[in-house]
Amino acid sequence: EVQLVESGGGLEQPGRSLILSCTTSGFTFVNYAMSWFRQAPGKGLEWVGLIRGKTYGETTEYAASMKGRFTISRDDSKDIAYLQMNSLNTEDTALYYCCRGRPAIISYYFDYWGQGTLVTVSS
Amino acid sequence: DIQMTQSPSTLSASVGDRVTITCRASQSISSWLAWYQQKPGKAPNLLIYQASTLESGVPSRFSGSGSGTEFTLTISSLQPDDFATYYCQQYDSFPCTFGQGTKLEI
Repeated sequence: EVQLVESGGGLEQPGRSLILSCTTSGFTFVNYAMSWFRQAPGKGLEWVGLIRGKTYGETTEYAASMKGRFTISRDDSKDIAYLQMNSLNTEDTALYYCCRGRPAIISYYFDYWGQGTLVTVSS
Repeated sequence: DIQMTQSPSTLSASVGDRVTITCRASQSISSWLAWYQQKPGKAPNLLIYQASTLESGVPSRFSGSGSGTEFTLTISSLQPDDFATYYCQQYDSFPCTFGQGTKLEI
């Protein structure tokens, strides 16, 4: 059974950093892209970024508004994906989801999702 | 970025109804479109990919159609479990973008 479990969320002050983890099981992690999304309270889904699988060089893509502040990485030996968030601001308050990507020609769609971890940025 | 626009934003319907949700892309995305269902407090669930391919385990009352810039999600006979919010997502190019969602309510 495919499982994704996010962790690392919580209350953080503006300007600080936070690292989220996505621990996976039930599939060959190294072969899949992993992506992060977020959803602010009462709002829609916003894509954060993605890291490709080993076959595609584990390269990354980011939403323009988060590029430079957020970094996605992965540890294939542990089957974990990470989202490092720097210079947090109140607009980063959201439920953060990780998910598994299935490739198309260029981009991806997403077939398995974790339950999310809540990040609250407030002084 | 490719903009995705769903309509309607809210849809009121009854059990047994046939409903259709529309998703329009700001430029052609071929058939690179997915639909997701999200229930309150839960993660999104993939329903359809490549515009019309049903994800394994998804009931056959769900169907998708379209190509280019206009797409539809149809539920042939609403069940109580179907009342949720539905999102379309284009994966023709980066960044991945979603419609704003359609809330299907009783």
